[in-house]
Amino acid sequence: GENVEQHPSTLSVQEGDSAVIKCTYSDSASNYFPWYKQELGKRPQLIIDIRSNVGEKKDQRIAVTLNKTAKHFSLHITETQPEDSAVYFCAASGVGGYNKLIFGAGTRLAVHP
Amino acid sequence: EAGVAQSPRYKIIEKRQSVAFWCNPISGHATLYWYQQILGQGPKLLIQFQNNGVVDDSQLPKDRFSAERLKGVDSTLKIQPAKLEDSAVYLCASSVTGGVEKLFFGSGTQLSVL
Repeated sequence: GENVEQHPSTLSVQEGDSAVIKCTYSDSASNYFPWYKQELGKRPQLIIDIRSNVGEKKDQRIAVTLNKTAKHFSLHITETQPEDSAVYFCAASGVGGYNKLIFGAGTRLAVHP
Repeated sequence: EAGVAQSPRYKIIEKRQSVAFWCNPISGHATLYWYQQILGQGPKLLIQFQNNGVVDDSQLPKDRFSAERLKGVDSTLKIQPAKLEDSAVYLCASSVTGGVEKLFFGSGTQLSVL
C-alpha cells in the first residue's frame, strides 16, 4: 500500500522567510497530492492540491511542486507570516473511485515575528 | 455553507469503558470518512461510507470499533471496550463524491482513555 514520508517534522523560520516542506510517496499509481493545514485545536483544511499531470501549482504565497519520477512533492510558502504557523500535512491518493488518502506525519511550522 | 458537525468535542473515559462519537456531514455529501489522528501523526482512515454502505473498513479494529451511517446522512463511531492506545482525535470528514478530492473535516472529538 501507499506510504508517505514527510520532512522535516518541525520547522522554525523568521517572518518573511520562505519555508519548504517535502514529502515522498511509495505508490507510483498515486496521482493526487493535497496539502492540509491544521491550526492548533482546529480541523485540517485543504490549502492546495496537485494532480500528476501538472508539475507545479501556485496560489498566492503557496506553491506545490511534483516530481513523479522521483516520487516526491513539496510545499513552498513564501513571505511567511505568523498566521502561517500550524501543522501541515501532505497526502497522496489515486483520483476518483474509492481511493484512500494516505497522510504524512505532519510538519509543525513556527513563524517568528 | 454549514460545515461537518461532530460531538462531543472532548471525552475522557477509563479503559474498558464504551464511547460513541457522532458526525453530521455537509448536506448533500454522499461520502463520509472517520479518521483517527494520534498525537504527532497524520490522520489514518478507519472507515469510509458511500451513502449508507461501507466502502473501506480495512483499518478498522473490528473487535472493538463499529460504525454505522443509517439513512446515509449522519454517522456514529463506537469503541467498546476502549484501550489506552485509543487515545486520539477522531475526525469525521465528508466529500461530495466518492473521490478524496476536497475533503471537508469536522473539528474532531478528542478522546482520552485513562
